[in-house]
Amino acid sequence: QVQLVQSGAEVKTPGASVRVSCKASGYTFTDNYIHWVRQAPGQGLEWMGWINPKSGFTNFAQKFQGRLTLTRDTTISTVYMDLSRLRSDDSSVYYCARVYGTGSFFSFWGQGTLVTVSS
Amino acid sequence: EILMTQSPATLSVSPGERATLSCRAAQSVNINLAWYQQKPGQAPRLLIYGASTRATGIPARFSGSGSEKEFTLTISSLQSEDSASYYCQQYNNRPYNFGQGTKLEIK
Repeated sequence: QVQLVQSGAEVKTPGASVRVSCKASGYTFTDNYIHWVRQAPGQGLEWMGWINPKSGFTNFAQKFQGRLTLTRDTTISTVYMDLSRLRSDDSSVYYCARVYGTGSFFSFWGQGTLVTVSS
Repeated sequence: EILMTQSPATLSVSPGERATLSCRAAQSVNINLAWYQQKPGQAPRLLIYGASTRATGIPARFSGSGSEKEFTLTISSLQSEDSASYYCQQYNNRPYNFGQGTKLEIK
């Protein structure tokens, strides 16, 4: 069965960077795009960007341009999200999510990774 | 950027009754609209895509309708386990914005 398993919670200070990993299993890793979505405490869902695991091509929401990097390691079926210059309002649960077919909606989700940014 | 607006923010419905949730797009998204259910402490779960197609394993009491700018998620014969937040998402144009959510409470 399809699974996306994310790395554990992180606590960072303002200005630092964070890396969250998302390990895929149960399907051919390069067949489906992986997106990242975040959710601040008690708030709604915010789309961040995607990576094509086959080519490595990425696309980001404008607000994350310059701070967000998505990479992948096809040998271990893992996608990495790096967010730099962290601010307190980046404190959120970060989810990786796999698309269904070619549409940019998400049929499988990771369990979420809580990133807390605090001095 | 397409603003997605959901209403109502909170909805309280008795078991066995019907719940109707609305989602409005600021501009046309054709039928590129998905609905998700999220329970506290859990990741979202895909319910509907293509505005009206149920995802695998989703009970028939969940149905979606609409096109262009106006969409509806209907949950017929509510059950206690339907208590959750529900989000719509457009995937017609980047950024793939979500609505702010509707919290559904079962009386």
